[in-house]
Amino acid sequence: AQTVTQSQPEMSVQEAETVTLSCTYDTSESDYYLFWYKQPPSRQMILVIRQEAYKQQNATENRFSVNFQKAAKSFSLKISDSQLGDAAMYFCAYRTPGGTSYGKLTFGQGTILTVHP
Amino acid sequence: DSGVTQTPKHLITATGQRVTLRCSPRSGDLSVYWYQQSLDQGLQFLIHYYNGEERAKGNILERFSAQQFPDLHSELNLSSLELGDSALYFCASSKGLAGGPITDTQYFGPGTRLTVL
Repeated sequence: AQTVTQSQPEMSVQEAETVTLSCTYDTSESDYYLFWYKQPPSRQMILVIRQEAYKQQNATENRFSVNFQKAAKSFSLKISDSQLGDAAMYFCAYRTPGGTSYGKLTFGQGTILTVHP
Repeated sequence: DSGVTQTPKHLITATGQRVTLRCSPRSGDLSVYWYQQSLDQGLQFLIHYYNGEERAKGNILERFSAQQFPDLHSELNLSSLELGDSALYFCASSKGLAGGPITDTQYFGPGTRLTVL
């Protein structure tokens, strides 16, 4: 079974600085997708960024980028120019493309990000 | 706003009771997923429906059941409720089975917070 581990329960960053959130996963599959979701205090789950495992190029979305290391099974999220609105719980998630578990997202435990003004 | 709607937002009920949570997917999405978020278990996948058919089951209790109707809305039925069922229940939707992450990204509704007293 796939597992996702976020080893940092909490992180903090100063406004305008850069922070990196870590995520590792365990899988025997070669084709899969990885996601970062953000959950602000409103509890809404918001997609931040996604990465296809077959792509070597790291995904970027504005101030958010990932460092995807397939061999190391590592998928970290870098937030540049941090803003107060980035404060939230961040979840790393893994999804398989097929099989009986198709569509299932497996989530990590989450990392609470605090942004200091 | 993800385009996924869930009702009700909050539900307070007693042990032993039965409740129904409702989800309307984004326009054009055929897949609906249910997740449970609790303090002790984190975010866990419950069940996936595609175009009215059950496609995958996760850690869903036998006391829980779900359906997806012809208009694609879905209902999650929770019966014989216990204190431990108190959680935030999310519905997510995506285009369907085929395609890459552009079409398979899951967009989450705002959730239903269930409190069992």
